[in-house]
Amino acid sequence: NAGVTQTPKFRVLKTGQSMTLLCAQDMNHEYMYWYRQDPGMGLRLIHYSVGEGTTAKGEVPDGYNVSRLKKQNFLLGLESAAPSQTSVYFCASSYSQETQYFGPGTRLLVL
Amino acid sequence: GESVGLHLPTLSVQEGDNSIINCAYSNSASDYFIWYKQESGKGPQFIIDIRSNMDKRQGQRVTVLLNKTVKHLSLQIAATQPGDSAVYFCAEIGNAGNMLTFGGGTRLMVKP
Repeated sequence: NAGVTQTPKFRVLKTGQSMTLLCAQDMNHEYMYWYRQDPGMGLRLIHYSVGEGTTAKGEVPDGYNVSRLKKQNFLLGLESAAPSQTSVYFCASSYSQETQYFGPGTRLLVL
Repeated sequence: GESVGLHLPTLSVQEGDNSIINCAYSNSASDYFIWYKQESGKGPQFIIDIRSNMDKRQGQRVTVLLNKTVKHLSLQIAATQPGDSAVYFCAEIGNAGNMLTFGGGTRLMVKP
């Protein structure tokens, strides 16, 4: 099992550009999550999904959109990137609303 | 609002000593807690969890203690090793739609 994988690993964007981060899991988990982690801080939940075709807002959803068209994939989109979105993005998945398994992260720099 | 936080941002211990990392939580309704370890450049890794109906749970070299009276959680690492150097996060099932809420993290540094 690969677990939770994320692509890309690193990306540089200019302000106003758009991009999509891809998360994939091969554990047949129902729940998937997107977090951002800023320097010296914990993880903050952006959006999450409790199953294929469903999404919900987390703590810091503004400026992001998500889609869960397939159970194994959870996409995070930035329509118009801003410097404040420079961060490390982590995807996670879980069987229930408890123990979450994390991917390796995507480092995003917005200039 | 409800939050999960940590007392110390950095903890430095000698190799072979025991480490204790503390976490305070404010949501008295929380009933599930997890400790994660995050090494530099990697995603958080599950260490151990505990439910609110327990006071203590042990794993391999790690013990989690839960004091519901004072809403305090701790992670004890026995015989700390250089490989234990990382940032440790506590998390609770919180109030954001029953999603996990993470604390700010404590950095553990192990001196050889």
